[in-house]
Amino acid sequence: DTGVSQDPRHKITKRGQNVTFRCDPISEHNRLYWYRQTLGQGPEFLTYFQNEAQLEKSRLLSDRFSAERPKGSFSTLEIQRTEQGDSAMYLCASSFQGDTEAFFGQGTRLTVV
Amino acid sequence: AQKITQTQPGMFVQEKEAVTLDCTYDTSDQSYGLFWYKQPSSGEMIFLIYQGSYDEQNATEGRYSLNFQKARKSANLVISASQLGDSAMYFCAMRALGNTDKLIFGTGTRLQVFP
Repeated sequence: DTGVSQDPRHKITKRGQNVTFRCDPISEHNRLYWYRQTLGQGPEFLTYFQNEAQLEKSRLLSDRFSAERPKGSFSTLEIQRTEQGDSAMYLCASSFQGDTEAFFGQGTRLTVV
Repeated sequence: AQKITQTQPGMFVQEKEAVTLDCTYDTSDQSYGLFWYKQPSSGEMIFLIYQGSYDEQNATEGRYSLNFQKARKSANLVISASQLGDSAMYFCAMRALGNTDKLIFGTGTRLQVFP
């Protein structure tokens, strides 16, 4: 297992289009997190899953955002009707319940033009 | 509400010297964890070191040590013997233990190591 994997690494889309990102966590990890990082800022929490259950969602996660983890393994984050303000790095992380450390992927950089 | 403050947007250090990156935090929780992550230009967040609020000894991991002063609510990262590969963004973060699992990050410090 090579760590948390995110796909795609980069995405350029036109305003108003829908985009979907995928995250494959470390295989034995039951917790998965999504964060968003804008330029010059630290990552901001969006949502997290324990197995397939979505346990918390940030107020940052507007109605245009939806995340799923259907089988408790990989997760997808979809943004509908993208806006220029959605341009950011989207980071995924995973951990095993009870462990201290969360491992991050390399992120998906979204640019909305 | 929890908050992390990193007041140094950028720091310079000469190779082989030590450097301290500042971090202060605010929380009303009694149990919490403090983290430092490194983010190189590739974008990945790399875990460096962890300190629990009830740990009496400062955490150390190789060249990294965390100077934890609970009364001052500070958790500064000390990097000894800096290397050129240490040049990156460094983020301090905290997590409330036993409550939510999310991390709250500061705005980061860009460290540049010069020869």
